[in-house]
Formats: sequence, C-alpha cells, structure tokens
Amino acid sequence: QVQLVQSGAEVKKPGASVKVSCEASGYTFNVYYIHWVRQAPGQGLEWMGRIQPNSGATDYAQKFQGRVTMTRDTSITTAYLDVSRLRSDDTAVYYCGRDFRNAAIDNWGQGTLVTVSS
Amino acid sequence: DIVMTQSPVSLAVSLGERATINCKSSQNVFYSSNKKNYLAWFQQKPGQPPKLLIYWASIRESGVPDRFSGSGSGTDFTLTISSLQAEDVAVYYCQQFYNTPFTFGPGTKVDIK
Repeated sequence: QVQLVQSGAEVKKPGASVKVSCEASGYTFNVYYIHWVRQAPGQGLEWMGRIQPNSGATDYAQKFQGRVTMTRDTSITTAYLDVSRLRSDDTAVYYCGRDFRNAAIDNWGQGTLVTVSS
Repeated sequence: DIVMTQSPVSLAVSLGERATINCKSSQNVFYSSNKKNYLAWFQQKPGQPPKLLIYWASIRESGVPDRFSGSGSGTDFTLTISSLQAEDVAVYYCQQFYNTPFTFGPGTKVDIK
C-alpha cells in the first residue's frame, strides 16, 4: 500500500534552517508529484509547493520563493523540504502528500512538527 | 492567486441529518478541454493529516462512504453529508487544483448538535 513516512519533530532557533524528509513506498515514486502543505497550530492548511520526482521540476507558492527548496533522491524514493531563515511563524506541522491524478493529494504523510523558538 | 472561501465557518447538525458545506473560488476552476472541475474536498480530524474525500468536484475517493457527495461547477461547489454520523465530526477543507498555488479554503468545522 502507498505510504509516506516523514522525519521526526524538530526544534529550531530563529534564523536557522530545517530539512524535513518524506520517504515514499508502495508505488512508482518517479511518476507522481509530491506536494508540501503546512498547518500552523489551530490554523488551516497552506500549500507550499510541489516537486516532480522524475525531472526535479518544482513549483513554489510565491510566499515561500527564495526561502523554501524542494528536492528528491529517487534512489531512496525520498522527497525533502528545506526551509531557511526560520521565523516563529514558521512553527507548524509540515505534511508531504502524493498527487496521483494531478487532481488532488490522495495520500499524506503523518506530518512533522517544526517548532521555531528562541 | 485563486482565493477560496467556505461557508459556514462552523455548523452543528443532529445525528442522521444532512450537513451542507459551500466552497467558492474567485476564478473558474473548470477545464473545458477535459470538462473537469479541479476542486477537491478533504476531511481532517484532530491530530491527523487531511483525508481526501472528493476530487474533480464530484468523484468520491475509493473507500469514502457514499453519504459524502460533492457537486457544483465553475466557481461554486458543495460538499454534502447526507446523514451525519458521529465519526464525521471534523474540519472540512476545499482546495483548488486548477492553478498554482493550489489554495485551500479556510475550513468548516462540523459538530454534532
């Protein structure tokens, strides 16, 4: 079955960077986009961007351009989200998700809590 | 960017009664080339990732109970829970997949009356 397993919770200081991983299994990794979505405490869902694992092509929400990098390692079917220059308002649960039909995210990782605090 | 709005912000429905959630996009999300609306609905329970319920506005994801249905086209969409069950208590989000950024609605909280 399709599984996306994310790395564990992180605590970072303002100005630092964080890298979250998302290991995929149960399907052909290269074929389907991986999206990243975040959710601040008690807030709604925010789409950050996506990566096409085969080509490495990315689309980022304008809000995150220049501060977020999405990469992948196809040899280990893992996608990564790098967020730099962290601020307190980056405190959130970060989710990865697979886009099966270019129509919706049909499988989600369990989420990774990133806490930014001095 | 396409702005997604949802109404109501929250609603409380008696068990077995109908719940209706509305979602509106600031731009058309209908692709005339394939006649599909790029609108999805998700259910999220506390401490869990979102779960896909509906895609292409009206196609139920595999395994989703048939009491959940989606309708609408263009800019106006509806998620209906025909007979609310206790396990349906959650926050529901719509999301457009028409243009990046793939924006979400603000969510609608559904509770039992």
